[in-house]
Amino acid sequence: EAEVAQSPRYKITEKSQAVAFWCDPISGHATLYWYRQILGQGPELLVQFQDESVVDDSQLPKDRFSAERLKGVDSTLKIQPAELGDSAMYLCASSTGTSGNGETQYFGPGTRLLVL
Amino acid sequence: AQKITQTQPGMFVQEKEAVTLDCTYDTSDPSYGLFWYKQPSSGEMIFLIYQGSYDQQNATEGRYSLNFQKARKSANLVISASQLGDSAMYFCAMTSDYKLSFGAGTTVTVRA
Repeated sequence: EAEVAQSPRYKITEKSQAVAFWCDPISGHATLYWYRQILGQGPELLVQFQDESVVDDSQLPKDRFSAERLKGVDSTLKIQPAELGDSAMYLCASSTGTSGNGETQYFGPGTRLLVL
Repeated sequence: AQKITQTQPGMFVQEKEAVTLDCTYDTSDPSYGLFWYKQPSSGEMIFLIYQGSYDQQNATEGRYSLNFQKARKSANLVISASQLGDSAMYFCAMTSDYKLSFGAGTTVTVRA
């Protein structure tokens, strides 16, 4: 069964350091999403790609976060510099991009980030 | 703006019994989608079930069913014949204007 892959699964870093997360969506999925989930809350969208283009990054803290999907397949989310408040689960999801509000997003296993 | 409300922070259910998880939503869009996801302690979000706003019948997927009451703006999840492996966090979510928004979640603990 096709799955969304993410790495690393866990990351511990010190504040002010740079961190990067990688996501490989389900093959053929045009839309890719990055979410941040703070403990005890639901995920919140950081950035959405359609193929290689950003379609929504309104909630992405652009002073420290960046995301790219250069070839329209896998994607990297970077934080530089990391702050204590960035400690969270970072989830990647993908969807076909063809079903409008009926679009089902499939999630990867996530990356748990701890900033010390 | 769209909003998802899950009022039950935690629930206990006996193995083999049914449990209902409440979800209400608020949107002014006539077209929207409603989803339930399961998040075990390992962290991945697992898609369970989908209901479209124009669907006339309630969605079912195995032991999961969605009780969709459009006029009341509610989309409750029913898990029948609970199993120990059902212990997890459950999130109600809605897609409106092509954006997926999540509720705060309900923790379900299944007792043997």
